[in-house]
Amino acid sequence: DTEVTQTPKHLVMGMTNKKSLKCEQHMGHRAMYWYKQKAKKPPELMFVYSYEKLSINESVPSRFSPECPNSSLLNLHLHALQPEDSALYLCASSQEGTQPQHFGDGTRLSIL
Amino acid sequence: GENVEQHPSTLSVQEGDSAVIKCTYSDSASNYFPWYKQELGKGPQLIIDIRSNVGEKKDQRIAVTLNKTAKHFSLHITETQPEDSAVYFCAANFNKFYFGSGTKLNVKP
Repeated sequence: DTEVTQTPKHLVMGMTNKKSLKCEQHMGHRAMYWYKQKAKKPPELMFVYSYEKLSINESVPSRFSPECPNSSLLNLHLHALQPEDSALYLCASSQEGTQPQHFGDGTRLSIL
Repeated sequence: GENVEQHPSTLSVQEGDSAVIKCTYSDSASNYFPWYKQELGKGPQLIIDIRSNVGEKKDQRIAVTLNKTAKHFSLHITETQPEDSAVYFCAANFNKFYFGSGTKLNVKP
């Protein structure tokens, strides 16, 4: 079992829907990450939160909106997504930027 | 930015044999090198890591070696078992993680 919990595990949505992905960790980590992973590819970094503040945005389209309500929670709000946004979305956490990152099992997102 | 190359892309071994996966990196400022194992339907799982002040690290059947001069690091798995079958990713850390392209390891029983 992973120590980073992501919900939901699967999500199917239309291009006009609004949905949110959730991530939770209780390891006391102060850095949290969102990655996007396409089939047979490595994870691609999207956002980094450090001490609940957004520190890195890898030029992600505005239809993806991250939120860090507190040090244990990370959300990714989705709106007006495109079919090419279908992917596995992974959340990770670490004690700080240079420490090991621990990944959740991801949310499999399909855009119709 | 950093560039991490990983080889081979696929590796097939017989159960009990050893497997070696190699990565090279471009930025000499990278100082942390983790290896992840990703099974089907799961997220990447950290299996071993090494920092730039260490040349080798071992954990049971898994070892990682780092050559800072040549800027390459390798994952060694001995006595492979079918449950080692997965995709393995190396990464180098310089401000953020840069992942290699992945190696699909197949251990045949």
